[in-house]
Amino acid sequence: AQTVTQSQPEMSVQEAETVTLSCTYDTSENNYYLFWYKQPPSRQMILVIRQEAYKQQNATENRFSVNFQKAAKSFSLKISDSQLGDTAMYFCAFMRYNNNDMRFGAGTRLTVKP
Amino acid sequence: EAGVAQSPRYKIIEKRQSVAFWCNPISGHATLYWYQQILGQGPKLLIQFQNNGVVDDSQLPKDRFSAERLKGVDSTLKIQPAKLEDSAVYLCASSSAGGVWENIQYFGAGTRLSVL
Repeated sequence: AQTVTQSQPEMSVQEAETVTLSCTYDTSENNYYLFWYKQPPSRQMILVIRQEAYKQQNATENRFSVNFQKAAKSFSLKISDSQLGDTAMYFCAFMRYNNNDMRFGAGTRLTVKP
Repeated sequence: EAGVAQSPRYKIIEKRQSVAFWCNPISGHATLYWYQQILGQGPKLLIQFQNNGVVDDSQLPKDRFSAERLKGVDSTLKIQPAKLEDSAVYLCASSSAGGVWENIQYFGAGTRLSVL
């Protein structure tokens, strides 16, 4: 079974600084997808970034980028120039290729301080 | 484009009572999911529909939980009878069946259930 581990229950960062959230996963699959979702206090989960395992290039979306290390089964999220609106729970998630069963980690609560 | 709609936002019931949650996915999305998110944990998939057929309900406690997706659009999740451990946020999500946005799930705001 696939498992996703987020080892940092809580993190904080000063506004405008950079923070990295960690995620590791366990799978025997070769093709899969990895996601980072953001869940603000309002509760609606929002996709931050997606990575396809067959792509070596790390995904980037504006201030958000990932460091995908397939051999190490590591998928960290870097947030640059942190903003107050980035305060939220962040969930790492794994999905096998051609299977929409998404497995989530326990989440990291990020607080951006002014 | 309207997002995934869920109602109610909050529900408080006593144990052994019944409750139902409703979800309307994004228009045109063939796949619909129900997740249970217990406080302090990530969401856990309960059931997945493709149009009006069940794809995966392996993690649905079928002795008390049921779900249906009439006409392949709206969906209802029911708990009967509820237990204290069912207290959680119930999230609905939907995704399109193909194209570049395939596999991206869009979530509703959820229903927070408290069982007393």
